[in-house]
Amino acid sequence: QQKVQQSPESLIVPEGGMASLNCTSSDRNVDYFWWYRQHSGKSPKMLMSIFSNGEKEEGRFTVHLNKASLHTSLHIRDSQPSDSALYLCAASGTMNYNQGKLIFGQGTKLSIKP
Amino acid sequence: GGIITQTPKFLIGQEGQKLTLKCQQNFNHDTMYWYRQDSGKGLRLIYYSITENDLQKGDLSEGYDASREKKSSFSLTVTSAQKNEMAVFLCASSIGRQNTLYFGAGTRLSVL
Repeated sequence: QQKVQQSPESLIVPEGGMASLNCTSSDRNVDYFWWYRQHSGKSPKMLMSIFSNGEKEEGRFTVHLNKASLHTSLHIRDSQPSDSALYLCAASGTMNYNQGKLIFGQGTKLSIKP
Repeated sequence: GGIITQTPKFLIGQEGQKLTLKCQQNFNHDTMYWYRQDSGKGLRLIYYSITENDLQKGDLSEGYDASREKKSSFSLTVTSAQKNEMAVFLCASSIGRQNTLYFGAGTRLSVL
């Protein structure tokens, strides 16, 4: 069963708008979270990582993490057509449980409408 | 920088056939992964390995075998290809659990 759930499944955002993507782990034995971006026909590439409670910003991208609820979200402001891609959330096992195991969610397909 | 090389790029098999996919990395990374991606979907973990000769099952290991005889290489075997199966198999590596995964270009499998 899928232990990393992403929502929504797909999202259409106008160019210049804000895109918000969500991800929750149902497995409590995880502690690190990543967001990967995969353009059509390409391999995934790491976008942002977050390991501590709170917020992290890099340019137009902001990621939040709430470790108590194992929920992370990715926000893209001033969305550009080049942001259109499949966004994958991943969670990794803790040091003492499934160390090294990295589970991905089913992805959110983001389309930016010019 | 380093690179992950997956061979072959395309693999066409027959139903029931045993098929082997290969992955080589020159990052000197300890951990390697095999994921399966069906069209437009997320990645499902088949096997991973945290060091040479180590193998750990993922959620999708049934129907697959894996081998990590050297630190730099990780191979995956489809033990009996299923008719009409189509997927991309992605190999990845990382230094350790806090570090970024780097992916190969993938092997695209089609079974006739």
